[in-house]
Amino acid sequence: KNQVEQSPQSLIILEGKNCTLQCNYTVSPFSNLRWYKQDTGRGPVSLTIMTFSENTKSNGRYTATLDADTKQSSLHITASQLSDSASYICVVSAISGYSTLTFGKGTMLLVSP
Amino acid sequence: DADVTQTPRNRITKTGKRIMLECSQTKGHDRMYWYRQDPGLGLRLIYYSFDVKDINKGEISDGYSVSRQAQAKFSLSLESAIPNQTALYFCATSDPLTSDDPNEQFFGPGTRLTVL
Repeated sequence: KNQVEQSPQSLIILEGKNCTLQCNYTVSPFSNLRWYKQDTGRGPVSLTIMTFSENTKSNGRYTATLDADTKQSSLHITASQLSDSASYICVVSAISGYSTLTFGKGTMLLVSP
Repeated sequence: DADVTQTPRNRITKTGKRIMLECSQTKGHDRMYWYRQDPGLGLRLIYYSFDVKDINKGEISDGYSVSRQAQAKFSLSLESAIPNQTALYFCATSDPLTSDDPNEQFFGPGTRLTVL
């Protein structure tokens, strides 16, 4: 069964600090991995996508890494801002005939002033 | 995402009532999805549709039905609502032919449903 596990479940950091969120998956055959940001009361919005051949990808203060061998990904947030407070969801796509995704449960990040 | 809209945004209803949640999109995408989100459980797929004539059950379709009235509209119905259907419901769209990433889904703002 395809699964995506995220850690930690929740995290509180001070504004300006860095943090790293983890994602482990057992989705096969792997197509790509995407990190979504979900603000409270809003729908998820894509931050970055990683394909099998990519190790690192950045989007502003967000940097995602992928180790396809160990089936692990991380999302690193640099110099956190209050607006980074949100749930971060790891979503993995399997290669199949249609677009179905396996969602992690998310990491709830709170950036405190 | 303003391209995907959901109505209503909030709804409180009673057990046994029939409820319809509506989703409209202006992205021109063929594929549409309904998910529910519960605290600690993440997003789970209820139904999906790849075009107007195509409807498929997702992971948790029991107690739900859908209607794809047009390419741009996909409705979710709860025929007889029960309290454990209290959740946040999201509609999403995708299109492998027009998107840079065929697996990327674009989500609506969500509908918060409470069944008393």
